[in-house]
Amino acid sequence: EPEVTQTPSHQVTQMGQEVILRCVPISNHLYFYWYRQILGQKVEFLVSFYNNEISEKSEIFDDQFSVERPDGSNFTLKIRSTKLEDSAMYFCASSVDAVGQPQHFGDGTRLSIL
Amino acid sequence: ELKVEQNPLFLSMQEGKNYTIYCNYSTTSDRLYWYRQDPGKSLESLFVLLSNGAVKQEGRLMASLDTKARLSTLHITAAVHDLSATYFCAVDYTGNQFYFGTGTSLTVIP
Repeated sequence: EPEVTQTPSHQVTQMGQEVILRCVPISNHLYFYWYRQILGQKVEFLVSFYNNEISEKSEIFDDQFSVERPDGSNFTLKIRSTKLEDSAMYFCASSVDAVGQPQHFGDGTRLSIL
Repeated sequence: ELKVEQNPLFLSMQEGKNYTIYCNYSTTSDRLYWYRQDPGKSLESLFVLLSNGAVKQEGRLMASLDTKARLSTLHITAAVHDLSATYFCAVDYTGNQFYFGTGTSLTVIP
């Protein structure tokens, strides 16, 4: 069964450094998402992406964050200058359609900011 | 801001018993999703509910949606240990923006 893949599984970065998290959505999916989950807490929506542009974004997704689909397969989340509070699990998800279809989640990237 | 609240936050139940998890949300929406998350794992889609009165069942789990009451329920019938996980509801706010509930951590005791 097709799945969403994320790399790396664990990223350790110094505070203030830039980090790029990578995702390969399921090939026929058109909608892409990033979420984060701080340890033991709820899942928080960051951004949705469709047709090569941001569809929706949350208050968390400030100027430090950006997303890109540089080619036909990858979907990336960049954090420009990481803060300690960016430490979390970041999940990528994709879906065939925005309405009525479940989102398929990757296994996540654990980001640790030192 | 859309608020999505689940209760209970923690649920410990014996095998064979029935229980219901509640998901309340603060803003009108007729699209609600339920997910399961095992410890240290990703999220697995359980149900997609798209209209008032929608009811879906899979095995020992049944989900329903009442959009007028802004309430969804996840009912567990005759719980088994394999159902132990954290369950999240998520509300589709604008058509492509999703707010997750606080999660319900379920432990099924033999």
